[in-house]
Amino acid sequence: GENVEQHPSTLSVQEGDSAVIKCTYSDSASNYFPWYKQELGKRPQLIIDIRSNVGEKKDQRIAVTLNKTAKHFSLHITETQPEDSAVYFCAASNTGFQKLVFGTGTRLLVSP
Amino acid sequence: SQTIHQWPATLVQPVGSPLSLECTVEGTSNPNLYWYRQAAGRGLQLLFYSVGIGQISSEVPQNLSASRPQDRQFILSSKKLLLSDSGFYLCAWSVRTGGYNEQFFGPGTRLTVL
Repeated sequence: GENVEQHPSTLSVQEGDSAVIKCTYSDSASNYFPWYKQELGKRPQLIIDIRSNVGEKKDQRIAVTLNKTAKHFSLHITETQPEDSAVYFCAASNTGFQKLVFGTGTRLLVSP
Repeated sequence: SQTIHQWPATLVQPVGSPLSLECTVEGTSNPNLYWYRQAAGRGLQLLFYSVGIGQISSEVPQNLSASRPQDRQFILSSKKLLLSDSGFYLCAWSVRTGGYNEQFFGPGTRLTVL
């Protein structure tokens, strides 16, 4: 079955810096890759996703890139702000699969 | 628009007591439904998922069970709680849009077993 690895487990940056979180997946049939942000004590929220027919997707300060050959995808946050501090989860799935396989999470801390 | 509800929001139960957590979804039909558990400071563990009424798939063998008595209702139960059952229980739903499994989480139930 699918396996998703996520790195780093913790990431500390200064406000205004960029942050990059990387995930690798094992199943070449996976074609949907969402990212979730979970603030302390809250539910995970879908912030961006990418499908295998594109290599990059942007939404304001966040972007996701996908390398199908290498089977990895990354979340990029530019001009980080303290409110970006949270745990970020990546996940992978394919159209024949009824569930998402999640990474283990990255705790991002943005210091003012 | 779609809305997902969970209750109760918090729960404190003694070891050995029963459990019933409820999740309902509004504004959509025939969703896939999921139960996850998140231990403190940890990741998301999928417990059960359902693609239709009465259809339950179990991901982790344990003392929990799930039922889907109605299209938009998903229930998580236990006959006897263990200390290790403490955690943040999240229900999620998805509708397969264009073949992609976009999942959206409910607000969660924080369970403490003493």
